[in-house]
Amino acid sequence: AQSVTQPDIHITVSEGASLELRCNYSYGATPYLFWYVQSPGQGLQLLLKYFSGDTLVQGIKGFEAEFKRSQSSFNLRKPSVHWSDAAEYFCAVGSGQGGKLIFGQGTELSVKP
Amino acid sequence: SQTIHQWPATLVQPVGSPLSLECTVEGTSNPNLYWYRQAAGRGLQLLFYSVGIGQISSEVPQNLSASRPQDRQFILSSKKLLLSDSGFYLCAWSGTPTNEKLFFGSGTQLSVL
Repeated sequence: AQSVTQPDIHITVSEGASLELRCNYSYGATPYLFWYVQSPGQGLQLLLKYFSGDTLVQGIKGFEAEFKRSQSSFNLRKPSVHWSDAAEYFCAVGSGQGGKLIFGQGTELSVKP
Repeated sequence: SQTIHQWPATLVQPVGSPLSLECTVEGTSNPNLYWYRQAAGRGLQLLFYSVGIGQISSEVPQNLSASRPQDRQFILSSKKLLLSDSGFYLCAWSGTPTNEKLFFGSGTQLSVL
């Protein structure tokens, strides 16, 4: 069965520190992979996506993610976190049926001053 | 440009009362439309999706129903709400069937008391 696992429910980092949010997926074919961010009480905003090609993808707000097929992972990274990055982050995999995404449980990011 | 509107932003309803949440999309035609639910502390679950007027697919059995009376209008309904229907409901749209990028509305926080 297709699934997405985000092992870390909650992460706290200091402002200016680097960040890596983990995402592992289980999918039978070449996946379409996404990272979304959700600010409190808001909808989701797409940070970046991977469909094919270069396995290191750049997104908005200084985020990047690397697709590693051998590890079934699509971890999200940012070299220097800003206080405004505090939010919940969701990894998702496309099911191959146009917009039917399977989401992970989410990782809540807190940023310390 | 395309926009998605979802209302209301918050809603408190008693158990057994009816529900109607509305979502409209502007700036595009024949979008795929989706209703997701985010229960407290959990990831997003796809409830319904629609590829055209009057075409609704349900992903999970539940107390809810969806309708698409117009091309860019998607409605989530219930005749009698249950406590377990509480959650954050997100409407989303995507473009062509092979484009799995979702654009989300701002969500409706539903509390059933």
